[in-house]
Amino acid sequence: DIQLTQSPSFLSASVGDRVTITCRASQGISSYLAWYQQKPGKAPKLLIYAASTLQSGVPSRFSGSGSGTEFTLTISSLQPEDFATYYCQQLNSYPPLFGPGTKVDIK
Amino acid sequence: EVQLVESGGGLVQPGRSLRLSCAASGFTFDDYAMHWVRQAPGKGLEWVSGISWNSGSIGYADSVKGRFTISRDNAKNSLYLQMNSLRAEDTALYYCAKDLGSVELRAFDIWGQGTMVTVSS
Repeated sequence: DIQLTQSPSFLSASVGDRVTITCRASQGISSYLAWYQQKPGKAPKLLIYAASTLQSGVPSRFSGSGSGTEFTLTISSLQPEDFATYYCQQLNSYPPLFGPGTKVDIK
Repeated sequence: EVQLVESGGGLVQPGRSLRLSCAASGFTFDDYAMHWVRQAPGKGLEWVSGISWNSGSIGYADSVKGRFTISRDNAKNSLYLQMNSLRAEDTALYYCAKDLGSVELRAFDIWGQGTMVTVSS
């Protein structure tokens, strides 16, 4: 199985900050990576798929990049509604495992 | 409105069975693969099982293989998860999720609100 690691696991930031989260795969997955946002008590929300394609309706301050084994999710200017947990997911092959998550909290 | 609504969760004793259902609306159900994803209390997301549009391709997490069975009824716009030999570690909120693709994995763009399964004596 392809395993994913995320760093950091916890991030404290302020409104307006530029935030970057990294996801690393245990083997190459081309661009078959998605990013999700989850707020407490809510279902996950798809932000980015195919490593860099912004899902319809997602604000342009979110962007994704990378290919192979290293990927990043960037929030260009953190907004109050962005405080949440972020997960990456590999979709190169079954099982489509998720990363352990990065919690973004208010500084 | 595109929507997924799960049902069938509840409290069940270890070793017993439970069947989850997911009702889809607002999109052409038989055009897309579907998945079950679970989340134990306070933990991360765990993919459980997935099924292609025509049920021709099915996958399971190792943790549930041989105990859980995924199925779909395209005529009823419904997805199911039959869970047998339940264990305490199966306790979680179970989400139904729609794939962007029909067979190949792409990403999970629509999620239900989840149904809670608690396995305890």
